[in-house]
Amino acid sequence: QQPVQSPQAVILREGEDAVINCSSSKALYSVHWYRQKHGEAPVFLMILLKGGEQKGHEKISASFNEKKQQSSLYLTASQLSYSGTYFCGTERLSSGSARQLTFGSGTQLTVLP
Amino acid sequence: DGGITQSPKYLFRKEGQNVTLSCEQNLNHDAMYWYRQDPGQGLRLIYYSQIVNDFQKGDIAEGYSVSREKKESFPLTVTSAQKNPTAFYLCASSKWDISGNTIYFGEGSWLTVV
Repeated sequence: QQPVQSPQAVILREGEDAVINCSSSKALYSVHWYRQKHGEAPVFLMILLKGGEQKGHEKISASFNEKKQQSSLYLTASQLSYSGTYFCGTERLSSGSARQLTFGSGTQLTVLP
Repeated sequence: DGGITQSPKYLFRKEGQNVTLSCEQNLNHDAMYWYRQDPGQGLRLIYYSQIVNDFQKGDIAEGYSVSREKKESFPLTVTSAQKNPTAFYLCASSKWDISGNTIYFGEGSWLTVV
């Protein structure tokens, strides 16, 4: 089942912050975050595993609330290069050995000068 | 350089024709995947393979076929049974390690039916 992302679109000015949320109705093993520029392949940002994690990557960080089956991606002091579509991908606990990654519909982020 | 190579980048298909998209990886990854992306939408899983000579259907396998005869290669055939094949196709691969199952994508192939 596809995870739900919100918001669908965000427009920011350079230097502003943004939060993108991802939620699932199923128990999750992990949450993955990717950024995609138009017509290009998605680029891996980070993965968060069950057990409740928080990770950071310069000014981009994320958290995973295992109990709520929710993850949030935090973009701090956004730069023009942050523009793109952000996808969360989820691996369910019930997948067993078949590690399927199911993606949300994406959040389009636009950073203006 | 290690990576995932997809070809062709752009492909046009006439209705009723089968076409095959190539995907090769030299990352020594065990698992490979095919995703389809329609404009403005997310990625949907077509097929995936955990090991050589084994593959499973994803959410939208109808009208597609795959093979996994070598670890490095996972070609996707779009058959004439796929009624709306125009889309962006992404191949990916992954390998389990202590950090989890990180998936890496190829550059994608654009398929247009004319």
